[in-house]
Amino acid sequence: GAGVSQSPSNKVTEKGKDVELRCDPISGHTALYWYRQSLGQGLEFLIYFQGNSAPDKSGLPSDRFSAERTGGSVSTLTIQRTQQEDSAVYLCASSPGRSSGNTIYFGEGSWLTVV
Amino acid sequence: DAKTTQPNSMESNEEEPVHLPCNHSTISGTDYIHWYRQLPSQGPEYVIHGLTSNVNNRMASLAIAEDRKSSTLILHRATLRDAAVYYCILRDGWGSNYKLTFGKGTLLTVNP
Repeated sequence: GAGVSQSPSNKVTEKGKDVELRCDPISGHTALYWYRQSLGQGLEFLIYFQGNSAPDKSGLPSDRFSAERTGGSVSTLTIQRTQQEDSAVYLCASSPGRSSGNTIYFGEGSWLTVV
Repeated sequence: DAKTTQPNSMESNEEEPVHLPCNHSTISGTDYIHWYRQLPSQGPEYVIHGLTSNVNNRMASLAIAEDRKSSTLILHRATLRDAAVYYCILRDGWGSNYKLTFGKGTLLTVNP
């Protein structure tokens, strides 16, 4: 079956512009995560959605970052007024639920370069 | 969140077994031990997880110490495609640690 799908795969944007990154989770998965990974670094948690519950936004690095999940499925991560330090790969993941026994499935990522 | 400690890097030869260690001395009774790996230029992928008993699946085996303060991921016959960063992660079984907190992991190099 289809895995987690992310678009665009690659995005080059100018400093100061806004970008939107899209994530299509695996069908039926209620949990959705966004992570970011800068070059040569580990994965940094950004935000978590679980069903209709309020999202956990504790990992968002600044108020320039926001995310929404419409209809409990597709999610969009928006970065306003991009800065060069925002350059990273943004990874989306989904899971059947919040149980710690559940596997989390990651997409291939959206590679963002801010020039 | 309970922390894990892994070697920064390990090296193996193709078709030989690989034992990747992980220390988690502050593990709580409800923490699951999860392993994920990240191949170059890809998102992380699930490898295996366990609570108390050793676990086997098609990818690997997980050996958990009796006191649960350490575990070992075993790749029975390493292939070049197993070259990746391997992450050992603890997740609270009560669901409060629903997000995976990634450390630095172990970079596994497989020599032909």
